Amino acid sequence: NAGVTQTPKFQVLKTGQSMTLQCAQDMNHNSMYWYRQDPGMGLRLIYYSASEGTTDKGEVPNGYNVSRLNKREFSLRLESAAPSQTSVYFCATSYGLPAYEQYFGPGTRLTVT
Amino acid sequence: ELKVEQNPLFLSMQEGKNYTIYCNYSTTSDRLYWYRQDPGKSLESLFVLLSNGAVKQEGRLMASLDTKARLSTLHITAAVHDLSATYFCAVDDKKSGGSNYKLTFGKGTLLTVNP
Repeated sequence: NAGVTQTPKFQVLKTGQSMTLQCAQDMNHNSMYWYRQDPGMGLRLIYYSASEGTTDKGEVPNGYNVSRLNKREFSLRLESAAPSQTSVYFCATSYGLPAYEQYFGPGTRLTVT
Repeated sequence: ELKVEQNPLFLSMQEGKNYTIYCNYSTTSDRLYWYRQDPGKSLESLFVLLSNGAVKQEGRLMASLDTKARLSTLHITAAVHDLSATYFCAVDDKKSGGSNYKLTFGKGTLLTVNP
């Protein structure tokens, strides 16, 4: 089992370019999350999907869109990248039941110049 | 709004010593999680604490939860170099509703264990 996978691992964008970060899981989890991690800021939730067909905003959703394509896949889109979106992005999943520990993917390191 | 504060944010300790990392949170919750992150890596779950008075131990690490004080501690016993990492606590945000909860993370504690 691969667990939680993310693509790409690294990406460099110019300001104004768009891109989609992909996340897939084979853990049969209901809930999926996108976080960004910046130095000294911990992890901040961008969007989450409690179950297939639903998405909700987290703490820092501006500049991002998401799609829960099916139970396995949850994508994060930057429509017009800005330098402030330079960060490490983590996808996470959980069952969504009590003791809903989250499992994290390996991360995508994004630089916007 | 739920706020989670960890202290200290930086901790340099000698091998063999004991120390405690503190995690305070601002609103009622009885679900708290501890994660470890090695440099350049992802987050790895360490402990899940689901009730007042919960205590979990794994090797040299022990975590506890006091929901009345809104406080969790991560105690390190006889530290070794391999424990060097960043440790995060995370608290669920029950305001999200439904049966799927969001987590609010602390800023992390960077632990360095020196020989």
